[in-house]
Amino acid sequence: DVKVTQSSRYLVKRTGEKVFLECVQDMDHENMFWYRQDPGLGLRLIYFSYDVKMKEKGDIPEGYSVSREKKERFSLILESASTNQTSMYLCASTKDRVYEQYFGPGTRLTVT
Amino acid sequence: EDQVTQSPEALRLQEGESSSLNCSYTVSGLRGLFWYRQDPGKGPEFLFTLYSAGEEKEKERLKATLTKKESFLHITAPKPEDSATYLCAVLTGANNLFFGTGTRLTVIP
Repeated sequence: DVKVTQSSRYLVKRTGEKVFLECVQDMDHENMFWYRQDPGLGLRLIYFSYDVKMKEKGDIPEGYSVSREKKERFSLILESASTNQTSMYLCASTKDRVYEQYFGPGTRLTVT
Repeated sequence: EDQVTQSPEALRLQEGESSSLNCSYTVSGLRGLFWYRQDPGKGPEFLFTLYSAGEEKEKERLKATLTKKESFLHITAPKPEDSATYLCAVLTGANNLFFGTGTRLTVIP
């Protein structure tokens, strides 16, 4: 079974803090994704990566950056957290974009 | 403009009362349509992939079908444990994945 894990289930941070969210997958998938999910808006793509050290902006990259130094690990960085970044963050991976994505359990981030 | 719409937003069923959830789409070049189940506070769990019109997939009480404009997720004789939000996602010809906002299903014992 594909397993995608995320470093925290719940996180509370203060405005202006730098926040790191980590995601690890164990199926040797090339493609990894970061989404945020908000009520009424569905899942929105922040960034994705199709190979080590490669990254592409998604629909809402502003205020975020990413890092992929190893194939199995994809990190999302909030450079200076703001209250409008309070959300559920979901990581996903897939071997090929034509196939289904497998999601991690999510991180509920609250920025106060 | 590529768009994915799910209906209804919410659905309440009695245990055993069969129904269908709808996912309609207007995209440029469908490469695949995916159905997910999401429980509160958790990540989406993959259910089905459909690639071409006429294709059907089944798993326990769930059956997914696909036409050129929409997909249905049929739920036969649902049980309370089927309560969840069901998401569909459409992969376009440009390799963009669009998610619907989901249907929240509640099955009452």
